[in-house]
Amino acid sequence: DTEVTQTPKHLVMGMTNKKSLKCEQHMGHRAMYWYKQKAKKPPELMFVYSYEKLSINESVPSRFSPECPNSSLLNLHLHALQPEDSALYLCASRLDMGGEQFFGPGTRLTVL
Amino acid sequence: EDQVTQSPEALRLQEGESSSLNCSYTVSGLRGLFWYRQDPGKGPEFLFTLYSAGEEKEKERLKATLTKKESFLHITAPKPEDSATYLCAVHRGAQKLVFGQGTRLTINP
Repeated sequence: DTEVTQTPKHLVMGMTNKKSLKCEQHMGHRAMYWYKQKAKKPPELMFVYSYEKLSINESVPSRFSPECPNSSLLNLHLHALQPEDSALYLCASRLDMGGEQFFGPGTRLTVL
Repeated sequence: EDQVTQSPEALRLQEGESSSLNCSYTVSGLRGLFWYRQDPGKGPEFLFTLYSAGEEKEKERLKATLTKKESFLHITAPKPEDSATYLCAVHRGAQKLVFGQGTRLTINP
């Protein structure tokens, strides 16, 4: 099973709201990723967790706050977002340091 | 600097008309070249991993090949359901992927 799940599928929020995106995988993968994707552009890396520790933060604004509660779960907490943050947010996981990443279906976020 | 360039940007084919997509890369020490398929509004779907020049992988109507400078995704007798954006990526360091801009493929019935 190469499935990464993400909830919710769609999210609409105002600029003062606080919301969270959730990602889950049960493949025993030890690296998990958050990406942001704008229309007609490739995915853009935001954060990498390796063995439940944050290993890469691509200079993402602090209004995005990642969390890895355990090896199967990854959250992205959102607060005070801007309309330009509207995008498809993708989670991915990988077994370890090598090999392919497997992506979830994404959360379509709209910030009003 | 690691770089991935895909061509063409968009490609329209008739059903059954075979063609190839190109992915040129410059990377210091290739640690894997990856092909993904992405449908609109969905996450990328993993297709192939290639590690060394001369390697080939096949899946249904798709065949991926790798040289020292580029990779090709050959599509044989495509069907409308093959319409999607095809993304190519290489590793940058141990953890990051560098993506190309993608090729938007449309197969007309």
